[in-house]
Amino acid sequence: AQTVTQSQPEMSVQEAETVTLSCTYDTSESDYYLFWYKQPPSRQMILVIRQEAYKQQNATENRFSVNFQKAAKSFSLKISDSQLGDAAMYFCAWPSGGSNYKLTFGKGTLLTVNP
Amino acid sequence: GAVVSQHPSRVICKSGTSVKIECRSLDFQATTMFWYRQFPKQSLMLMATSNEGSKATYEQGVEKDKFLINHASLTLSTLTVTSAHPEDSSFYICSATGQDSTDTQYFGPGTRLTVL
Repeated sequence: AQTVTQSQPEMSVQEAETVTLSCTYDTSESDYYLFWYKQPPSRQMILVIRQEAYKQQNATENRFSVNFQKAAKSFSLKISDSQLGDAAMYFCAWPSGGSNYKLTFGKGTLLTVNP
Repeated sequence: GAVVSQHPSRVICKSGTSVKIECRSLDFQATTMFWYRQFPKQSLMLMATSNEGSKATYEQGVEKDKFLINHASLTLSTLTVTSAHPEDSSFYICSATGQDSTDTQYFGPGTRLTVL
């Protein structure tokens, strides 16, 4: 089975500190994208960052960066200089279904940012 | 860019009635749209995938006669919950892909359905 695992149901971080959310996945695909989405209390799903699997360089978007270990099938999200607005549920996801671009989502990690 | 709208944001209906939810891609043509259901404090559960002009592909366990999906154009998909019952109460989210070549899904803001 192709699954995505987020082993940390909840995490907390102090404002301005750094936190890393983990994600492992299982796939037999050779070329794919991996995604992190955040879902704040408004429940709007927002794309945080995406990583192309055949690129060795880790993706970075401002304070958000990825540590992608393809051989280990690990895809962690690092948030630097955490802000109160980063508090949300974070889901990792990857395309799971052939040519119709279905996404499989992890169970999510609830991030709390303490002032 | 890549904005997806969803309407209505909230709806309350009586048991036995039907409810239609619209999902629109506002600034791109969506080759594929998806419908998800999300229970409180849980992850997203894919219900179905739809391509413009084609019949939707439903996930296992999703009743296609209860959850009717129409994808009439490259910017509009609708989900109709027919003969709604209280157990259909949930948060429904749509997404769309096609804005670029990266398989990225862009999500609507969701619809909270309450069936009395």
